Amino acid sequence: GNSVTQMEGPVTLSEEAFLTINCTYTATGYPSLFWYVQYPGEGLQLLLKATKADDKGSNKGFEATYRKETTSFHLEKGSVQVSDSAVYFCALSPPGNTGKLIFGQGTTLQVKP
Amino acid sequence: DAGVIQSPRHEVTEMGQEVTLRCKPISGHDYLFWYRQTMMRGLELLIYFNNNVPIDDSGMPEDRFSAKMPNASFSTLKIQPSEPRDSAVYFCASSPRVGRRGRGGTEAFFGQGTRLTVV
Repeated sequence: GNSVTQMEGPVTLSEEAFLTINCTYTATGYPSLFWYVQYPGEGLQLLLKATKADDKGSNKGFEATYRKETTSFHLEKGSVQVSDSAVYFCALSPPGNTGKLIFGQGTTLQVKP
Repeated sequence: DAGVIQSPRHEVTEMGQEVTLRCKPISGHDYLFWYRQTMMRGLELLIYFNNNVPIDDSGMPEDRFSAKMPNASFSTLKIQPSEPRDSAVYFCASSPRVGRRGRGGTEAFFGQGTRLTVV
């Protein structure tokens, strides 16, 4: 079946540190891949996406590359800020015109000044 | 567009009472999803609709849960009777379309959620 696995958190970094949050997936065919971010007390917001192999999604300094050979979509940012503290969710949308999203368990990021 | 609108934002109710959560999707979106978020189980898809028709309700935990979408601009999630273990944040999301055949879909847009506490 389709599934998403994220690295366990929490991840605690100092401001300006490099961030990597690992995400791997299991799916048949060509899913679309997403990273969502959830700030405290809010809903999920789309951070970036990629719809085919080797695509790189990017937004607000965050990047992730769709790697079909390793079934991965790792999230990276070169220099994190305190305002990046949030929960990050990796998700996939399976092929087959269903429209639904399958989420990983979420990774909490805490950035300290 | 105002985005996906959920109401109420917070609900506290006593065990055994009926609870109704409401959602207004983004106009023109074909898909509507109800998710539940808890610390223990993370984000779970409960049910989703396509053009107001329920497509997959396999995530609905029990018969106490029901969802309706009477028209393209409104959906409800009802719990009757409610139990303390139903306490969670419930999110509604909508999506404009899916991708080309054989490819994955497009992103979903989430509401702010309803925090439900059953005491």
